[in-house]
Amino acid sequence: EADIYQTPRYLVIGTGKKITLECSQTMGHDKMYWYQQDPGMELHLIHYSYGVNSTEKGDLSSESTVSRIRTEHFPLTLESARPSHTSQYLCASLGFRAGELFFGEGSRLTVL
Amino acid sequence: RKEVEQDPGPFNVPEGATVAFNCTYSNSASQSFFWYRQDCRKEPKLLMSVYSSGNEDGRFTAQLNRASQYISLLIRDSKLSDSATYLCVVNRGSGSARQLTFGSGTQLTVLP
Repeated sequence: EADIYQTPRYLVIGTGKKITLECSQTMGHDKMYWYQQDPGMELHLIHYSYGVNSTEKGDLSSESTVSRIRTEHFPLTLESARPSHTSQYLCASLGFRAGELFFGEGSRLTVL
Repeated sequence: RKEVEQDPGPFNVPEGATVAFNCTYSNSASQSFFWYRQDCRKEPKLLMSVYSSGNEDGRFTAQLNRASQYISLLIRDSKLSDSATYLCVVNRGSGSARQLTFGSGTQLTVLP
């Protein structure tokens, strides 16, 4: 089993609230990613990091921000949640085998 | 046109059947290819890489046709536990998952 953890698993929150989705991995991987996935749809890359103090935006524009102060920790923050942010957010890290992403179990966010 | 296209299905097959999924990709510079499996409401997990010469892993066979820009996954003697969504993943570069593009997946249900 992959050692990558996301919290919270489920979050229902009101519009305008600030939220932080946590992601931690204990595998020592440098490269980490955040994907957004709606039901039945493909994963879209929203943020990635190649290591400490490295963060970049992905293919899908997102109002969220990320930070990478420690190798094992890659939190995602929404300053002011809106209903359009309702989705599943999946954190992943890249293993040592080509193309092998290890995903967390996801954070399902519902903004009312 | 999407960069990676898959037949969404669903494919409903009886236990023991052989089923095949195809996936086409638009970027001829794509360098490596993978199949991921995603169970309902779970995170994706790497099923197998796809090599140019084709490769097998137990009941699963993956093939690549670079000229026609498609990859396939064949599942023989399907089991109930094979029920999942199968994601075709294409890497436009080498190494970094920054260039991994996910298809929207093909849903498989194996019936008793």
